[in-house]
Amino acid sequence: DGGITQSPKYLFRKEGQNVTLSCEQNLNHDAMYWYRQDPGQGLRLIYYSQIVNDFQKGDIAEGYSVSREKKESFPLTVTSAQKNPTAFYLCASSTSGRFGGELFFGEGSRLTVL
Amino acid sequence: QQQVKQSPQSLIVQKGGISIINCAYENTAFDYFPWYQQFPGKGPALLIAIRPDVSEKKEGRFTISFNKSAKQFSLHIMDSQPGDSATYFCAASMIQGAQKLVFGQGTRLTINP
Repeated sequence: DGGITQSPKYLFRKEGQNVTLSCEQNLNHDAMYWYRQDPGQGLRLIYYSQIVNDFQKGDIAEGYSVSREKKESFPLTVTSAQKNPTAFYLCASSTSGRFGGELFFGEGSRLTVL
Repeated sequence: QQQVKQSPQSLIVQKGGISIINCAYENTAFDYFPWYQQFPGKGPALLIAIRPDVSEKKEGRFTISFNKSAKQFSLHIMDSQPGDSATYFCAASMIQGAQKLVFGQGTRLTINP
């Protein structure tokens, strides 16, 4: 089945540690995105990539980093510089970088900082 | 200018009733308005979307009503069912120029049996 796979589903981190969230898609989509979901705040865009080896900051990129070395993969690193990293993280993809198309989401990764 | 404001934050409807969720936007250049549905522990999925050249779009029990002059759009769920209980997000973007999708704050809908 085609889709987006995020791992791990749950992750606990101590303060001061970096953590990397995995996102893999087999939909052959060009564009991939990372969103952060907090209660009452909707979905906020962290980073997006419209093509391999290129990515742009979203609205809340501070404290996060990404890479796009392969079309299928778009990992997100939550660094120790992120002040409030506890959240639900969602990866998505679309057929093109134009946001007028459908976004396909993974099932998310819930990060808790202890 | 880029905000999309969604209300209510939570909604409880009896089975068989009509659920109505409202969104308002500021940027008149927005030209694509989707609604996403999210079940607990899952990622959102596209439910229905509308372009501003029409005032209404219906897919089964789900209808989007769009008021361009008021810069508002709403989701109506007819004959609401317990299986419709989920969080709903409205969103908006500009297709021209590939501007990013802006999401509303979300509405947690509960349908009581």
